[in-house]
Amino acid sequence: GAGVSQSPSNKVTEKGKDVELRCDPISGHTALYWYRQSLGQGLEFLIYFQGNSAPDKSGLPSDRFSAERTGGSVSTLTIQRTQQEDSAVYLCASSSLGRSTDTQYFGPGTRLTVL
Amino acid sequence: AQSVSQHNHHVILSEAASLELGCNYSYGGTVNLFWYVQYPGQHLQLLLKYFSGDPLVKGIKGFEAEFIKSKFSFNLRKPSVQWSDTAEYFCAVNAGNQGGKLIFGQGTELSVKP
Repeated sequence: GAGVSQSPSNKVTEKGKDVELRCDPISGHTALYWYRQSLGQGLEFLIYFQGNSAPDKSGLPSDRFSAERTGGSVSTLTIQRTQQEDSAVYLCASSSLGRSTDTQYFGPGTRLTVL
Repeated sequence: AQSVSQHNHHVILSEAASLELGCNYSYGGTVNLFWYVQYPGQHLQLLLKYFSGDPLVKGIKGFEAEFIKSKFSFNLRKPSVQWSDTAEYFCAVNAGNQGGKLIFGQGTELSVKP
């Protein structure tokens, strides 16, 4: 079946602009995660949605970052007033029930470059 | 705060050599442990995971890992690597009381020479 999809695959933006990154999880998966992969920082957790519960935003690096998940499916990660240090690959993952033992299925990522 | 350390940043092996990649975590409570792999140009995918039971777990493609609680370690092993194992390997930890959030190590790049 279809896996996790993300769009766009690449995004180049100028410093100070806002960007939106989209994630379509595997159909039926109730949990959705955003991570960031950057040189020198490895893979960092950003935010986690589980069903109708309040999201775990503990990994968001600043208030310029926000995310929402509409209808329990698609999610959008928004970065306002982008900075060069935001350049990274943003990965989305989903899991069936959001349990701590569940396998997370990752998308291909969005490579963000801030000039 | 939880953290995960992968001591080897880049490992270069010849085909048929044995592999062991180190992973140590810092967290005193119940943990679930994962190894993910990213082959060149592909998505991150699960190799294996441990959450209870036999501390020696077997995954795909002949990989295995051993959970040693007293050492806070979850090292990945393979007796004989192939060129196709060239990839980046990530160890990850989930604290049992924090939902599905994963804390990843820095990753180990494995290059296997044919």
